[in-house]
Amino acid sequence: QQQVKQSPQSLIVQKGGISIINCAYENTAFDYFPWYQQFPGKGPALLIAIRPDVSEKKEGRFTISFNKSAKQFSLHIMDSQPGDSATYFCAASMEETSGSRLTFGEGTQLTVNP
Amino acid sequence: NAGVTQTPKFRILKIGQSMTLQCTQDMNHNYMYWYRQDPGMGLKLIYYSVGAGITDKGEVPNGYNVSRSTTEDFPLRLELAAPSQTSVYFCASSSHGTGRNTIYFGEGSWLTVV
Repeated sequence: QQQVKQSPQSLIVQKGGISIINCAYENTAFDYFPWYQQFPGKGPALLIAIRPDVSEKKEGRFTISFNKSAKQFSLHIMDSQPGDSATYFCAASMEETSGSRLTFGEGTQLTVNP
Repeated sequence: NAGVTQTPKFRILKIGQSMTLQCTQDMNHNYMYWYRQDPGMGLKLIYYSVGAGITDKGEVPNGYNVSRSTTEDFPLRLELAAPSQTSVYFCASSSHGTGRNTIYFGEGSWLTVV
């Protein structure tokens, strides 16, 4: 079954704090796990992505942690800033004969208070 | 640098009316997609296309139709609009069909059916 479960649905953190968003998947054929960031009134945009052959990927303040055995991955935002306030979607996909068909999580609305 | 352009931005339809959401991309991408986004539900794939003249159904195709006569354009047709089609619609594109390829989204079309 191609499902990706995301939590929490909403998250409020203080400026400078750590934001953590979690995702779990079921299909072990998934081999690519991107995170998309969406600001109000805009379309989602790729933030960071990971493949299952590594356990962690870091880009600036954003880190993905990946646990293949648990079929879970998470996004950590260090030193969270008000400008990080957005909706975050995890996603998963697999190599297919046609199409990059991403399966998205339900989304997390992050608010960073100044 | 336009990327993926969608029109209209906002539209109110009456039940039973029909309309077309327009989408065009200037990145010469072969793959194009239509997603709908509902609160707390993530993004669901409606239809996708792997090239001009080729389209296929996604997760939630009922009530929609698409065509792909050129590489640049991928319009989404709503026939006999229903309140359940009230949503935000996103067109997207990618250069390749592998699951590890970045998908670029338009800014969305807000549709209300009353």
